[in-house]
Amino acid sequence: AQSVTQPDIHITVSEGASLELRCNYSYGATPYLFWYVQSPGQGLQLLLKYFSGDTLVQGIKGFEAEFKRSQSSFNLRKPSVHWSDAAEYFCAVGQGAAGNKLTFGGGTRVLVKP
Amino acid sequence: DSGVTQTPKHLITATGQRVTLRCSPRSGDLSVYWYQQSLDQGLQFLIQYYNGEERAKGNILERFSAQQFPDLHSELNLSSLELGDSALYFCASSVASSGGWQFFGPGTRLTVL
Repeated sequence: AQSVTQPDIHITVSEGASLELRCNYSYGATPYLFWYVQSPGQGLQLLLKYFSGDTLVQGIKGFEAEFKRSQSSFNLRKPSVHWSDAAEYFCAVGQGAAGNKLTFGGGTRVLVKP
Repeated sequence: DSGVTQTPKHLITATGQRVTLRCSPRSGDLSVYWYQQSLDQGLQFLIQYYNGEERAKGNILERFSAQQFPDLHSELNLSSLELGDSALYFCASSVASSGGWQFFGPGTRLTVL
């Protein structure tokens, strides 16, 4: 069965510093991979997705993620964090041949220090 | 604003009761998905409908059911509610039935007392 692991439950980063959130997945086929962000009291917003092709994916709000098949990882990065990036981030894998059933990781809560 | 609407925003009810959560997808989206987010289980996929038909099923309890109507809105029915059903229930929609990215609504927070 597929699974998604986000090893870091909390991360604290200073404003302006770089951010990297880790995501490891377990899936037998070529995965559909996603990163979502959830701000307090809000729904989830898609940051970026990977289906195939270039392994470095650009998303919204200055985020990018790199798919590494050999490491079963899909880490999210941002070069310079803004206070508004404080939120919870979820990595997800789309399961099934259609990639439509999302399995989410446990989430990483990001705190931004001024 | 994702374009997905959910009502009500909050729902407080008692054990044993039945509730209905409603979702309207983005204009043009044919797929609707339901998810449950709880502290214990995290975010879990429940069920997907595409153009009125059930397309995929996840960890949905037998006490829960869903449907998608001809106008594409969807309802999630939760019955014989238990304390453990307290959670945030999200609806998401996408254009396609597969592989596409999903747009999430703001959620319905259900509290079972």
